[in-house]
Amino acid sequence: EIVLTQSPATLSLSPGERATLSCRASQSVSRYLAWYQQKPGQAPRLLIFDASNRATGIPARFSGSGSGTDFTLTISSLEPEDFAIYYCQQRSNWPWTFGQGTKVEIK
Amino acid sequence: EVQLVESGGGLVQPGGSLRLSCAASGFTFSDHAMNWVRQAPGKGLQWVSSLSGTADTTYYADSVKGRFTISRDNSKNTLHLQMNSLRAEDTAIYYCAKDLFYGGNSVVLDHWGQGTLVTVSS
Repeated sequence: EIVLTQSPATLSLSPGERATLSCRASQSVSRYLAWYQQKPGQAPRLLIFDASNRATGIPARFSGSGSGTDFTLTISSLEPEDFAIYYCQQRSNWPWTFGQGTKVEIK
Repeated sequence: EVQLVESGGGLVQPGGSLRLSCAASGFTFSDHAMNWVRQAPGKGLQWVSSLSGTADTTYYADSVKGRFTISRDNSKNTLHLQMNSLRAEDTAIYYCAKDLFYGGNSVVLDHWGQGTLVTVSS
């Protein structure tokens, strides 16, 4: 099973700041990595798929990069609605797995 | 507009059974694989099961294999998850989620339902 390790566990930032979230895979997942955002009491929302493709309706301030084992989600300038938990997920190898999440909180 | 509405959750005793359903609308249901993902209280996301659009390919997490069965009725745009021999560790919100791409099980989950809570406790 591919283990996805996200860091940091919590990121404390202010609105307007840049957020950089990391996801590291225990073995290569090529570019088959997605990012999801989840707010309290809500279902997850797809942000990025296949490492760098923004899903429909996702603002341009969200971008993804990486390949192989190291991936990054960048939020260029945090909006108030961006404070949430972010999960990465791989679809390279069964079983499909999620990272443990990074919480982006208001500083 | 894509909508996914889960139902069927509730409180069940260990060893019991539940059948979850997910009613889909706003897209051609039979064109897309569908998935179940769960989230234990205060925890992260865990993929549970996937089923292709034509219902000929299934995948299960090891933790539920042999106990859970995923199925779909394309004539009624409905996805199901039959859960037997339930354990305390199955307690979670269960989400159904649609695959982004046509055809096979891409497991890029572009739309999610609001979830249904399953509690396994005596």
